[in-house]
Amino acid sequence: KAGVTQTPRYLIKTRGQQVTLSCSPISGHRSVSWYQQTPGQGLQFLFEYFSETQRNKGNFPGRFSGRQFSNSRSEMNVSTLELGDSALYLCASSIGLSRETQYFGPGTRLLVL
Amino acid sequence: GENVEQHPSTLSVQEGDSAVIKCTYSDSASNYFPWYKQELGKRPQLIIDIRSNVGEKKDQRIAVTLNKTAKHFSLHITETQPEDSAVYFCAAPGGGATNKLIFGTGTLLAVQP
Repeated sequence: KAGVTQTPRYLIKTRGQQVTLSCSPISGHRSVSWYQQTPGQGLQFLFEYFSETQRNKGNFPGRFSGRQFSNSRSEMNVSTLELGDSALYLCASSIGLSRETQYFGPGTRLLVL
Repeated sequence: GENVEQHPSTLSVQEGDSAVIKCTYSDSASNYFPWYKQELGKRPQLIIDIRSNVGEKKDQRIAVTLNKTAKHFSLHITETQPEDSAVYFCAAPGGGATNKLIFGTGTLLAVQP
């Protein structure tokens, strides 16, 4: 099976812009979680989707949003970008909803100037 | 609240020696504990996980032990090799029916040839 894929892999934006990142889970996986990774804060949970519904959300401002489509692909959006949003954004897919093994994608590295 | 502490933050060993990384968690209801290895510029990769119905799990040179009473779990790598050099993250589930993971702050393992 193909692994988790994310696009784009690299992105450079300026403050105030918005960005949309995409994640395609492993075939048959219905759960997608998103994480932000920075040197200072480590790996932090953003949100989780299952069957097109957001099931859980981390402590991030409302500028961070996401959605999941009927084919389980997921997107996350960050509006009004700030310098501090520069990070590696990772998505992970799982088969089911609870305490399942998560497999990570390669990430999207976002640089905000 | 949910919290995972990981020690040490850096670990340097000679090739062939053993390495041990320790984590503690706060939620006594946690029952799934994965370990991820992240090489520079790459995605976190699951190397081993343990569920709370067992106290130890081994996979070749890697083992994980779990002490539910003390709420801590450890990663043991024996006969370390230079390719084991990476950042290792422990994790525990967020509360409730979710795939959300709370990650430790990571351990940078350097295996000196």
